[in-house]
Amino acid sequence: DQQVKQNSPSLSVQEGRISILNCDYTNSMFDYFLWYKKYPAEGPTFLISISSIKDKNEDGRFTVFLNKSAKHLSLHIVPSQPGDSAVYFCAASGEYSSNTGKLIFGQGTTLQVKP
Amino acid sequence: KAGVTQTPRYLIKTRGQQVTLSCSPISGHRSVSWYQQTPGQGLQFLFEYFSETQRNKGNFPGRFSGRQFSNSRSEMNVSTLELGDSALYLCASSLEKTLPGELFFGEGSRLTVL
Repeated sequence: DQQVKQNSPSLSVQEGRISILNCDYTNSMFDYFLWYKKYPAEGPTFLISISSIKDKNEDGRFTVFLNKSAKHLSLHIVPSQPGDSAVYFCAASGEYSSNTGKLIFGQGTTLQVKP
Repeated sequence: KAGVTQTPRYLIKTRGQQVTLSCSPISGHRSVSWYQQTPGQGLQFLFEYFSETQRNKGNFPGRFSGRQFSNSRSEMNVSTLELGDSALYLCASSLEKTLPGELFFGEGSRLTVL
């Protein structure tokens, strides 16, 4: 039972253009969402997060949008750079008050940014 | 500040054997979580330890176990290895007071079961 789904295994965009990575979830108890980026041979690194009380969070070139009614979130990267080429994981937490390390991850989307 | 350190980085075992993986968290981090990454499955939560106590457990069989020591270092053990246990095992640590889910991952231990 995949509670967090990233339906696009891969995405290719041109440098300078926008990259949009999508994520859907099924559990309405999730109240905190995160994006992680992973380069080969490295561990995932935290990128950006959003609480369920917000619908948008921005950090430099990265913006995460949350649509609770559709149980959908997306990560926008503008402008995309070749160094952004990596695997992006969407993750969800349903234990905001407990502050635990338990996250539910999607399968990941491999982003390739072409020069 | 040193990051999360996992050892060994690579190992090969045969079916039926057991394996122990080690994780040293970032200094001051008391929470350690373990994840399994396999192709097409993303990262799946194994368990989390905080102050030497298991705080959360994922849906893995009892062959998967772990523990945490007083210095916050953690180990996970897989007994009676199966071919399907071949995966990248990731350890992550976090501060007690950070927002939920902001985990700091190690580079992982890649286990191959033959």
